[in-house]
Amino acid sequence: GEDVEQSLFLSVREGDSSVINCTYTDSSSTYLYWYKQEPGAGLQLLTYIFSNMDMKQDQRLTVLLNKKDKHLSLRIADTQTGDSAIYFCAERSYSSASKIIFGSGTRLSIRP
Amino acid sequence: DGGITQSPKYLFRKEGQNVTLSCEQNLNHDAMYWYRQDPGQGLRLIYYSQIVNDFQKGDIAEGYSVSREKKESFPLTVTSAQKNPTAFYLCASSIGAEGKNEQYFGPGTRLTVT
Repeated sequence: GEDVEQSLFLSVREGDSSVINCTYTDSSSTYLYWYKQEPGAGLQLLTYIFSNMDMKQDQRLTVLLNKKDKHLSLRIADTQTGDSAIYFCAERSYSSASKIIFGSGTRLSIRP
Repeated sequence: DGGITQSPKYLFRKEGQNVTLSCEQNLNHDAMYWYRQDPGQGLRLIYYSQIVNDFQKGDIAEGYSVSREKKESFPLTVTSAQKNPTAFYLCASSIGAEGKNEQYFGPGTRLTVT
């Protein structure tokens, strides 16, 4: 079945780049997403990439998609304390248009 | 301001009681969703509705029920049949299931059952 996997934790020094990785199993994925969740809050869509793209950049965020390896990454440049949150990778498959499959989330913590 | 509201933020119930979680949106979205979030796990889909008066089971619908009588509202009832109801519940909505299906989330309700 469909599955999305991420590592649970990442610690980065303030000002460095953060790279959060994700792998997925569904080769018919159409859209892949990165959501951010701050403590005690709902999820906020950060960015998304359509499956026919390799890269998408939006200010400090860069998304890279390797369809062959079914690997998605989110790079946050110049990481700030406000970037501390849980980041969820998610994918939507062509076969199940209404469902979005979420990973378990990566908790990003920032060291001074 | 457009958005999704969930109330209450924290809810406490005794085991054996049914409880209903509220979700309202004023975004004029057709589709609405309920997810459950447990620590260290991703979001799991409970129920979703693509249009008024219609809804489908998600991956973990057992012990839950929903209704969609109005476009703006999608309440979730956690019944006494749900074996492990303590969790963080998130409601979301989207314009529809087509396209990128960007889902907008409410702030969540943390339910504790003792």
